[in-house]
Amino acid sequence: QKEVEQNSGPLSVPEGAIASLNCTYSDRGSQSFFWYRQYSGKSPELIMFIYSNGDKEDGRFTAQLNKASQYVSLLIRDSQPSDSATYLCAVNTGFQKLVFGTGTRLLVSP
Amino acid sequence: GAGVSQSPRYKVAKRGQDVALRCDPISGHVSLFWYQQALGQGPEFLTYFQNEAQLDKSGLPSDRFFAERPEGSVSTLKIQRTQQEDSAVYLCASSLVGSSYNEQFFGPGTRLTVL
Repeated sequence: QKEVEQNSGPLSVPEGAIASLNCTYSDRGSQSFFWYRQYSGKSPELIMFIYSNGDKEDGRFTAQLNKASQYVSLLIRDSQPSDSATYLCAVNTGFQKLVFGTGTRLLVSP
Repeated sequence: GAGVSQSPRYKVAKRGQDVALRCDPISGHVSLFWYQQALGQGPEFLTYFQNEAQLDKSGLPSDRFFAERPEGSVSTLKIQRTQQEDSAVYLCASSLVGSSYNEQFFGPGTRLTVL
């Protein structure tokens, strides 16, 4: 079992819809959770982080964390074609380093 | 500086050559990380510095890989006797302090191709 798992996709949504990206992790001691966006040929760009159970909203993005289920998700409201990218879930298990999933490719069609 | 910078952006090496990749973190950032990203995969941790101290090098794949940060700022990742399997994008990230709750910001990466 991988430490951080994501569906590789692609996840296809029409413009204006809600995109829901999911991630599960195996280490119950994980402390912090990050979502990065990576455009093709570019480096990861931090878009959200969450430390506590519940929801955290920032503009069109909402991160959700459920530590009991070891599950973290990212919702993107009013999806735009410019949101088309690979979304990487990353987990910090307490040893400073980030453990990444393989990423979910999101395609938003006009 | 405005962000993390890395050089060179692209490096082509013949198998067996040594390469050195440079990372310049965000000014004032204490922690510096190196990751390796293969095509279609997420970044994988290589090593971590807090100031000049290398606190974790558990991800370095072999003793051909060596990293240093002698003055607690710029870091260099060196790969000796490169092999084809070393071809990847090498990402550097920095964070303000060494905490599990601090965001890591990535540089543009160095794409290494070993022929």
